Amino acid sequence: AQKVTQAQTEISVVEKEDVTLDCVYETRDTTYYLFWYKQPPSGELVFLIRRNSFDEQNEISGRYSWNFQKSTSSFNFTITASQVVDSAVYFCALSVINDMRFGAGTRLTVKP
Amino acid sequence: SAVISQKPSRDICQRGTSLTIQCQVDSQVTMMFWYRQQPGQSLTLIATANQGSEATYESGFVIDKFPISRPNLTFSTLTVSNMSPEDSSIYLCSVDGDTSTDTQYFGPGTRLTVL
Repeated sequence: AQKVTQAQTEISVVEKEDVTLDCVYETRDTTYYLFWYKQPPSGELVFLIRRNSFDEQNEISGRYSWNFQKSTSSFNFTITASQVVDSAVYFCALSVINDMRFGAGTRLTVKP
Repeated sequence: SAVISQKPSRDICQRGTSLTIQCQVDSQVTMMFWYRQQPGQSLTLIATANQGSEATYESGFVIDKFPISRPNLTFSTLTVSNMSPEDSSIYLCSVDGDTSTDTQYFGPGTRLTVL
């Protein structure tokens, strides 16, 4: 069975600080996808990134970067120079053949 | 990515009544999913709805409580039946925007409060 653990329930930072959101996953399948979604106060889930299990290349998109390490079953998300608009709940998710499981989420608060 | 709308966006209902939530997508999709997000919690999959077949429900969810329709490739409904305050949640619809990569795109959600 698939499982996603986001150990950090809440994180609070001051604007311009860097912050890393942790995600650890469990699966016995060799083919799977990992995702990060952002849920702002409005409630909508915004897709941020997808990674397949065969691609361990790290990715950077603007202030966002993701570190995928199969050796530790982790898929961590870093926001550089955080901004108030980054305040949201962030969910890590694991999918195997369209069976998507979400972590508990990390609530990030960025203070001005 | 697909554009997904849900109706209603929010509702306040009385105990014992039923509410039907609509999900409309701007393109044809094979799979549609319904999730529940209880206050302060993560998302839990209720069921997967494929056009032309019965929905597949996850453990803990039953058709009598959450009947689902999927009449075509762009539309689905979820009914929350005989509601109780424990059903107060955000209900989200999602679609398989890219079946080759398991990517799901989500609608804006329906905030349901049951009194």
